[in-house]
Amino acid sequence: DGGITQSPKYLFRKEGQNVTLSCEQNLNHDAMYWYRQDPGQGLRLIYYSQIVNDFQKGDIAEGYSVSREKKESFPLTVTSAQKNPTAFYLCASSRGQLVSGANVLTFGAGSRLTVL
Amino acid sequence: KQEVTQIPAALSVPEGENLVLNCSFTDSAIYNLQWFRQDPGKGLTSLLLIQSSQREQTSGRLNASLDKSSGRSTLYIAASQPGDSATYLCAVITDSWGKLQFGAGTQVVVTP
Repeated sequence: DGGITQSPKYLFRKEGQNVTLSCEQNLNHDAMYWYRQDPGQGLRLIYYSQIVNDFQKGDIAEGYSVSREKKESFPLTVTSAQKNPTAFYLCASSRGQLVSGANVLTFGAGSRLTVL
Repeated sequence: KQEVTQIPAALSVPEGENLVLNCSFTDSAIYNLQWFRQDPGKGLTSLLLIQSSQREQTSGRLNASLDKSSGRSTLYIAASQPGDSATYLCAVITDSWGKLQFGAGTQVVVTP
């Protein structure tokens, strides 16, 4: 079945450590996204990529980094510079730009990061 | 800056009652509006998408309306069931590349 796989589902990190969250899709989608979700808040965009080897900062990119070396993969690294990294992280993809009503977001199941 | 608000933050209804969920946005210049469902600890599932030129969209028991001029959308769920219990989020697109601006969601509990 086509979909988005995020791993790990749960991750614990000590302060000062970098961690990388994996996101893999087999939908042949061009665009991929990373969102952060905090309790009582809407999703906020961290980074997005519309094509391989290209990505753009979203609203809250500070303390995060990404790469897009393959169409299927869009890993997110949470660096020690991120001041409050405990959150639920969601990866998503779309066939093309979301302005077109024909393209909708498909989400992964999420990764919950807790900083100890 | 576009702001999206969903009120109430939570509601509980008995099974069989119709659900009415509200979404408001401050900038009426939107490309489209989408409604999503999120189960606890899971990702989001797209429910309905309304283009800016449309007034409503329907899918089964779900109906979403859009009033761009007043900055409001309403999601109606007819004859609610316990399986409808989830958080419902709305999101709008207001820029040309398609960045979604999300509301915080309404958590719904349907009691048997």
